[in-house]
Amino acid sequence: EAQVTQNPRYLITVTGKKLTVTCSQNMNHEYMSWYRQDPGLGLRQIYYSMNVEVTDKGDVPEGYKVSRKEKRNFPLILESPSPNQTSLYFCASRRGSLEKLFFGSGTQLSVL
Amino acid sequence: AQKITQTQPGMFVQEKEAVTLDCTYDTSDQSYGLFWYKQPSSGEMIFLIYQGSYDEQNATEGRYSLNFQKARKSANLVISASQLGDSAMYFCAMRDVVTGANNLFFGTGTRLTVIP
Repeated sequence: EAQVTQNPRYLITVTGKKLTVTCSQNMNHEYMSWYRQDPGLGLRQIYYSMNVEVTDKGDVPEGYKVSRKEKRNFPLILESPSPNQTSLYFCASRRGSLEKLFFGSGTQLSVL
Repeated sequence: AQKITQTQPGMFVQEKEAVTLDCTYDTSDQSYGLFWYKQPSSGEMIFLIYQGSYDEQNATEGRYSLNFQKARKSANLVISASQLGDSAMYFCAMRDVVTGANNLFFGTGTRLTVIP
C-alpha cells in the first residue's frame, strides 16, 4: 500500500530535549516536505526536499533541521524544542510539481 | 497577502443536502493547481479533488465538485448529498509557479458539521 509513515503519533517532551520525528515513504517520490498545523493558521511549510541531499527552507524553518540521506526517509529534528513548537506535524511527499501531496498520519507534539 | 482565503470558519448542513465551501486565491501566475483536503477528527489529511488552472471543465470526484471561476479567482468545493461522515475540517490549497512549485499554500480551513 502506497503510504507515508510518520512516527511517533504522539510525543510529549520537555524544553531543550532533542527529538526526531521520522518520516518514510514507499512511493519512490523525489519530493518530500514537512508542515506544521496550528489552529487558525492552517498548514505552514517548515522544510522541503527536492531529492536526496537537497533540502531547503519553507516558511517557518526556525528551530528545525532536516536531512535527506536516502530517498525514502526525511526526518525532522528539533535540536532544542521550545513550547512554541507545540503543534501537529505532517510529513508529505509527491511525484510531480502539480501532483497531490500524500500526507502521513501526523505527529502531535507537546513541548512542556 | 494571503494566497488562500477561506472566509467560513464553520458551516452547518443538514444530512442529504448540498453544501458549498468557499475558497478564493491570489496569484499572478497563469499556471497553478488548486487542491481540497479533508481532515476528520482523527487528524489525517485526505486528498479530495484537484483543479488545474488550464482545465476547462470543473473537476468532479464522486460527491465532490469544484466550482472553478478563474476570473473571480475562486475555487469553491461543493459536496452533494451530505453524509454524517462528511463532518470534518476542509482545507483549500494552491501551488503556483511564481512563488515556486515547492510549497502548497493552505487556507485556514472550514469546519463542516453535518446535522442528522
